[in-house]
Amino acid sequence: QVELQESGPGLVKPSETLSLTCSVAGGSITSSYWSWIRQSPGKGLEWIGYIYHRGSTKYSPSVGGRGTLSLDASKNQFSLRLSSVTAADAAIYYCVRLRNILGATLSHWYFDLWGRGTLVTVSS
Amino acid sequence: SYDLSQPPSLSVSPGQTATIRCTGDHLGDNFASWFQQRPGQSPVLVIYEDKKRPAGIPERFSGSNSGNTATLTISGTQAMDEADYYCQAWDTTIAVFGGGTKLTVL
Repeated sequence: QVELQESGPGLVKPSETLSLTCSVAGGSITSSYWSWIRQSPGKGLEWIGYIYHRGSTKYSPSVGGRGTLSLDASKNQFSLRLSSVTAADAAIYYCVRLRNILGATLSHWYFDLWGRGTLVTVSS
Repeated sequence: SYDLSQPPSLSVSPGQTATIRCTGDHLGDNFASWFQQRPGQSPVLVIYEDKKRPAGIPERFSGSNSGNTATLTISGTQAMDEADYYCQAWDTTIAVFGGGTKLTVL
Protein backbone atom coordinates (compact mmCIF):
# COMPACT_ATOMS: atom_id res chain seq x y z
CA GLN A 1 0.00 0.00 0.00
CA VAL A 2 1.45 3.33 -1.10
CA GLU A 3 1.85 6.02 1.53
CA LEU A 4 2.98 9.61 1.19
CA GLN A 5 4.78 11.64 3.85
CA GLU A 6 5.59 15.31 3.63
CA SER A 7 8.58 16.82 5.39
CA GLY A 8 10.22 20.22 5.66
CA PRO A 9 10.49 23.31 7.84
CA GLY A 10 7.28 24.38 9.47
CA LEU A 11 8.38 28.01 9.62
CA VAL A 12 9.67 30.13 6.75
CA LYS A 13 10.56 33.81 6.81
CA PRO A 14 8.91 36.22 4.37
CA SER A 15 10.80 36.59 1.08
CA GLU A 16 12.66 33.31 1.66
CA THR A 17 12.19 29.97 -0.11
CA LEU A 18 9.88 27.24 1.12
CA SER A 19 11.23 23.74 0.54
CA LEU A 20 9.19 20.58 1.08
CA THR A 21 9.81 16.95 0.26
CA CYS A 22 7.37 14.09 -0.19
CA SER A 23 8.57 10.55 0.44
CA VAL A 24 6.73 7.79 -1.38
CA ALA A 25 6.64 4.46 0.44
CA GLY A 26 5.27 1.17 -0.79
CA GLY A 27 5.46 1.90 -4.49
CA SER A 28 7.66 3.31 -7.22
CA ILE A 29 7.65 7.02 -7.85
CA THR A 30 8.15 6.30 -11.55
CA SER A 31 4.70 4.74 -11.87
CA SER A 32 2.61 7.88 -11.45
CA TYR A 33 2.35 11.60 -11.69
CA TRP A 34 2.64 13.57 -8.43
CA SER A 35 1.24 16.85 -7.22
CA TRP A 36 1.32 19.40 -4.46
CA ILE A 37 -1.93 20.88 -3.22
CA ARG A 38 -2.24 23.38 -0.41
CA GLN A 39 -4.95 24.59 1.92
CA SER A 40 -4.79 27.91 3.69
CA PRO A 41 -6.14 27.87 7.26
CA GLY A 42 -9.90 27.55 7.14
CA LYS A 43 -9.91 27.80 3.34
CA GLY A 44 -10.31 25.57 0.34
CA LEU A 45 -7.91 23.52 -1.74
CA GLU A 46 -5.46 25.01 -4.21
CA TRP A 47 -3.47 22.98 -6.73
CA ILE A 48 0.17 24.00 -7.12
CA GLY A 49 1.47 21.72 -9.85
CA TYR A 50 2.39 18.24 -10.98
CA ILE A 51 5.51 16.36 -11.98
CA TYR A 52 6.35 13.12 -13.75
CA HIS A 53 9.64 11.23 -13.48
CA ARG A 54 10.41 11.82 -17.13
CA GLY A 55 10.64 15.53 -16.46
CA SER A 56 7.16 16.68 -17.32
CA THR A 57 5.94 19.47 -15.05
CA LYS A 58 2.99 21.83 -14.96
CA TYR A 59 2.33 24.69 -12.57
CA SER A 60 -0.70 26.62 -11.49
CA PRO A 61 -0.75 30.26 -12.57
CA SER A 62 -1.40 31.05 -8.90
CA VAL A 63 2.26 30.42 -8.02
CA GLY A 64 3.52 32.12 -11.15
CA GLY A 65 7.20 31.51 -11.71
CA ARG A 66 7.91 31.02 -7.99
CA GLY A 67 7.30 27.30 -7.90
CA THR A 68 9.70 24.52 -8.85
CA LEU A 69 8.95 20.81 -8.69
CA SER A 70 11.67 18.19 -8.80
CA LEU A 71 11.85 14.44 -8.44
CA ASP A 72 14.58 12.08 -7.23
CA ALA A 73 13.73 8.57 -8.37
CA SER A 74 16.70 7.08 -6.53
CA LYS A 75 15.22 8.29 -3.23
CA ASN A 76 11.58 7.81 -4.24
CA GLN A 77 10.95 11.45 -3.35
CA PHE A 78 9.64 14.55 -5.01
CA SER A 79 9.97 18.12 -3.84
CA LEU A 80 8.50 21.59 -3.98
CA ARG A 81 10.41 24.83 -3.80
CA LEU A 82 8.44 28.06 -3.58
CA SER A 83 10.46 31.25 -3.63
CA SER A 84 9.74 34.72 -2.28
CA VAL A 85 7.07 33.52 0.11
CA THR A 86 4.56 35.84 1.71
CA ALA A 87 1.90 35.39 4.35
CA ALA A 88 -0.42 34.24 1.58
CA ASP A 89 1.71 31.11 1.19
CA ALA A 90 1.01 29.96 4.75
CA ALA A 91 -0.96 26.74 4.45
CA ILE A 92 -1.10 23.02 4.94
CA TYR A 93 0.79 21.50 2.03
CA TYR A 94 -0.28 18.07 0.80
CA CYS A 95 1.61 15.80 -1.53
CA VAL A 96 -0.78 13.85 -3.68
CA ARG A 97 -0.69 11.07 -6.24
CA LEU A 98 -2.24 12.01 -9.55
CA ARG A 99 -3.68 9.00 -11.33
CA ASN A 100 -3.14 9.30 -15.02
CA ILE A 101 -5.19 7.30 -17.43
CA LEU A 102 -3.07 5.99 -20.28
CA GLY A 103 -4.37 7.17 -23.59
CA ALA A 104 -6.94 9.46 -22.00
CA THR A 105 -6.99 13.22 -21.78
CA LEU A 106 -6.05 15.06 -18.60
CA SER A 107 -9.74 15.51 -17.90
CA HIS A 108 -9.89 11.87 -16.81
CA TRP A 109 -7.04 12.14 -14.31
CA TYR A 110 -7.77 12.26 -10.59
CA PHE A 111 -6.06 12.77 -7.23
CA ASP A 112 -6.43 9.44 -5.51
CA LEU A 113 -3.95 9.40 -2.63
CA TRP A 114 -3.05 12.21 -0.24
CA GLY A 115 -0.35 12.61 2.37
CA ARG A 116 -1.20 13.77 5.88
CA GLY A 117 -0.09 17.29 5.08
CA THR A 118 2.46 19.58 6.65
CA LEU A 119 1.71 23.02 8.06
CA VAL A 120 3.88 25.86 6.85
CA THR A 121 3.83 29.18 8.68
CA VAL A 122 5.32 32.32 7.16
CA SER A 123 6.65 34.69 9.78
CA SER A 124 9.76 36.63 10.66
CA SER B 1 -9.74 31.70 -14.91
CA TYR B 2 -12.16 28.82 -14.59
CA ASP B 3 -14.32 28.80 -11.47
CA LEU B 4 -16.26 26.04 -9.77
CA SER B 5 -19.00 27.14 -7.40
CA GLN B 6 -20.43 25.20 -4.48
CA PRO B 7 -22.90 26.18 -1.77
CA PRO B 8 -20.96 26.95 1.41
CA SER B 9 -23.10 24.75 3.60
CA LEU B 10 -25.81 22.12 3.61
CA SER B 11 -27.67 20.47 6.47
CA VAL B 12 -29.46 17.13 6.38
CA SER B 13 -31.00 14.81 8.91
CA PRO B 14 -29.59 11.32 9.39
CA GLY B 15 -31.03 8.91 6.85
CA GLN B 16 -31.93 11.63 4.38
CA THR B 17 -30.32 12.26 1.00
CA ALA B 18 -27.68 14.97 0.72
CA THR B 19 -27.24 16.57 -2.69
CA ILE B 20 -24.20 18.78 -3.22
CA ARG B 21 -23.92 20.64 -6.49
CA CYS B 22 -20.90 22.09 -8.20
CA THR B 23 -21.36 24.50 -11.11
CA GLY B 24 -18.98 25.71 -13.79
CA ASP B 25 -19.15 26.68 -17.44
CA HIS B 26 -19.64 23.54 -19.51
CA LEU B 27 -18.56 21.42 -16.55
CA GLY B 28 -20.39 18.49 -18.11
CA ASP B 29 -17.88 18.50 -20.97
CA ASN B 30 -15.17 17.54 -18.43
CA PHE B 31 -14.91 14.94 -15.73
CA ALA B 32 -15.47 15.85 -12.09
CA SER B 33 -13.99 14.42 -8.93
CA TRP B 34 -15.25 14.80 -5.39
CA PHE B 35 -13.31 14.80 -2.13
CA GLN B 36 -14.43 14.40 1.45
CA GLN B 37 -12.43 16.12 4.18
CA ARG B 38 -13.28 15.43 7.78
CA PRO B 39 -12.05 17.92 10.41
CA GLY B 40 -8.32 17.68 10.94
CA GLN B 41 -7.85 15.09 8.21
CA SER B 42 -6.57 14.97 4.66
CA PRO B 43 -9.04 14.95 1.78
CA VAL B 44 -10.23 11.57 0.56
CA LEU B 45 -11.36 10.85 -3.00
CA VAL B 46 -14.97 9.66 -3.00
CA ILE B 47 -15.94 10.05 -6.68
CA TYR B 48 -13.85 10.29 -9.85
CA GLU B 49 -14.69 10.49 -13.54
CA ASP B 50 -18.09 11.87 -12.56
CA LYS B 51 -19.56 8.71 -11.06
CA LYS B 52 -16.93 6.11 -10.25
CA ARG B 53 -16.27 5.14 -6.63
CA PRO B 54 -12.79 4.19 -5.42
CA ALA B 55 -12.44 0.94 -3.54
CA GLY B 56 -13.67 1.30 0.02
CA ILE B 57 -16.09 4.15 -0.63
CA PRO B 58 -19.65 3.19 0.40
CA GLU B 59 -22.29 2.72 -2.27
CA ARG B 60 -24.36 5.52 -0.74
CA PHE B 61 -21.97 7.95 -2.47
CA SER B 62 -22.85 8.58 -6.11
CA GLY B 63 -22.12 11.23 -8.68
CA SER B 64 -23.36 12.68 -11.93
CA ASN B 65 -22.34 15.47 -14.27
CA SER B 66 -24.28 17.18 -17.03
CA GLY B 67 -24.53 20.64 -18.54
CA ASN B 68 -22.97 23.06 -16.10
CA THR B 69 -23.49 21.03 -12.94
CA ALA B 70 -21.78 18.10 -11.26
CA THR B 71 -23.66 16.52 -8.38
CA LEU B 72 -22.57 14.45 -5.42
CA THR B 73 -25.38 12.50 -3.81
CA ILE B 74 -25.15 10.82 -0.45
CA SER B 75 -28.08 8.49 0.13
CA GLY B 76 -29.02 7.54 3.67
CA THR B 77 -26.63 10.10 5.11
CA GLN B 78 -24.89 9.04 8.28
CA ALA B 79 -23.30 11.06 11.06
CA MET B 80 -19.88 9.97 9.83
CA ASP B 81 -20.55 11.74 6.53
CA GLU B 82 -20.37 15.12 8.23
CA ALA B 83 -17.43 16.80 6.51
CA ASP B 84 -16.36 19.33 3.92
CA TYR B 85 -16.82 18.23 0.32
CA TYR B 86 -14.88 19.63 -2.62
CA CYS B 87 -15.45 19.18 -6.33
CA GLN B 88 -12.56 19.33 -8.78
CA ALA B 89 -12.16 19.43 -12.54
CA TRP B 90 -9.47 20.27 -15.07
CA ASP B 91 -9.43 23.54 -16.99
CA THR B 92 -7.30 22.24 -19.88
CA THR B 93 -4.08 21.61 -17.90
CA ILE B 94 -4.96 23.38 -14.66
CA ALA B 95 -6.65 21.61 -11.76
CA VAL B 96 -9.47 23.68 -10.29
CA PHE B 97 -11.29 23.07 -7.01
CA GLY B 98 -14.65 24.32 -5.87
CA GLY B 99 -14.75 26.34 -2.69
CA GLY B 100 -16.13 23.46 -0.67
CA THR B 101 -19.45 22.62 0.99
CA LYS B 102 -19.70 21.98 4.70
CA LEU B 103 -22.18 19.15 5.22
CA THR B 104 -23.79 19.03 8.62
CA VAL B 105 -25.75 15.97 9.68
CA LEU B 106 -28.15 16.79 12.49
